[in-house]
Amino acid sequence: AQTVTQSQPEMSVQEAETVTLSCTYDTSENNYYLFWYKQPPSRQMILVIRQEAYKQQNATENRFSVNFQKAAKSFSLKISDSQLGDTAMYFCAFMNNYGNEKLTFGTGTRLTIIP
Amino acid sequence: NAGVTQTPKFRILKIGQSMTLQCTQDMNHNYMYWYRQDPGMGLKLIYYSVGAGITDKGEVPNGYNVSRSTTEDFPLRLELAAPSQTSVYFCASSYVGNREDGYTFGSGTRLTVV
Repeated sequence: AQTVTQSQPEMSVQEAETVTLSCTYDTSENNYYLFWYKQPPSRQMILVIRQEAYKQQNATENRFSVNFQKAAKSFSLKISDSQLGDTAMYFCAFMNNYGNEKLTFGTGTRLTIIP
Repeated sequence: NAGVTQTPKFRILKIGQSMTLQCTQDMNHNYMYWYRQDPGMGLKLIYYSVGAGITDKGEVPNGYNVSRSTTEDFPLRLELAAPSQTSVYFCASSYVGNREDGYTFGSGTRLTVV
């Protein structure tokens, strides 16, 4: 079974600074998907960014980018020019590219942006 | 387009009571899921369904039951509620083959068992 580990339970950063959230995973598969979800205080789960394992280029969505290191099984999220609205729980998640489409989540990182 | 709708948003149950958490989606998604979120534990899969009439257990199914009689609806039944079932419950859905889109989540149900 796949596992996803987020080793930073909490982080804080000053507004406008850059912050990186870590995620590692364990799998024997070669083809899969990785996701970062954001959960603000409203509790809604929002997809931030996705990465397909067979794509070597790191995904980017505006101020959000990932550093995908397949050999190291690492998938970190970088938030540039952080904003107060980025304050949230962030979950890393893994999905195989075969069979059912179950998502396996990490335990989350609580990010606080300080004004 | 409402997406995934969960009801109720909050509920307090007494030990031993039963209830059904409702989930409906209007995106014609094949797959539907129920997760629970405990503090510091991330989201754990309870049950999932790949289509009407087909359900399967996830990681933490004990104490729960599901049914999927239509594509749209995927209710979660709690029988004999226990304090260990105090959690936030999320329903989600996805369209088969669109793995890159991940899931669409409902807004969650906060359940407290006292």
